[in-house]
Amino acid sequence: AQSVAQPEDQVNVAEGNPLTVKCTYSVSGNPYLFWYVQYPNRGLQFLLKYITGDNLVKGSYGFEAEFNKSQTSFHLKKPSALVSDSALYFCAVRDMIRDDKIIFGKGTRLHILP
Amino acid sequence: GAGVSQSPRYKVAKRGQDVALRCDPISGHVSLFWYQQALGQGPEFLTYFQNEAQLDKSGLPSDRFFAERPEGSVSTLKIQRTQQEDSAVYLCASSFRSRGGYEQYFGPGTRLTVT
Repeated sequence: AQSVAQPEDQVNVAEGNPLTVKCTYSVSGNPYLFWYVQYPNRGLQFLLKYITGDNLVKGSYGFEAEFNKSQTSFHLKKPSALVSDSALYFCAVRDMIRDDKIIFGKGTRLHILP
Repeated sequence: GAGVSQSPRYKVAKRGQDVALRCDPISGHVSLFWYQQALGQGPEFLTYFQNEAQLDKSGLPSDRFFAERPEGSVSTLKIQRTQQEDSAVYLCASSFRSRGGYEQYFGPGTRLTVT
């Protein structure tokens, strides 16, 4: 079965430092991978996706993610964190069997410390 | 343009009561999805519409859950005889693609509390 794992419940980063939020996936075939962000009392917002092509994907708000097939990872990164980046981040993968469905990880709460 | 809207934003229901949650997708979006998000968890897929056709309802947890999208735009998720385990945030999302492989645009959710 397809799945994504986010091994960290929470990540703390000082403002201005680089940040990484980890995600690993388990799918058969070539994955479609996504990152979404959820701010308090707001719906999920799409950040970026990987379907094919360059392994480094650039997205909204200065975020990027690196697809690594050998490590089955799709970590979210940003060179310099802002306090406003504090939110809940979800990695997700398209279900390869029922491709209308997106399977979400359990989320990682990112705290950027001023 | 307007994003996905959901109403009500908050709903408190007594156990056994029926509830109806509404979703207004982005105009022109073909696909519409419902998810359930329990506290501290990621969203879990409930059901998917392409226009007015409900193509996948594999995630609906029981026959007390029913969704419709009769004219291919607004959708309603109905929960009959609510139970405490139904307490969650219900998220609606729409997409201009016909498959879930492309980005989805989410509404703010309806927080349902069953007492």
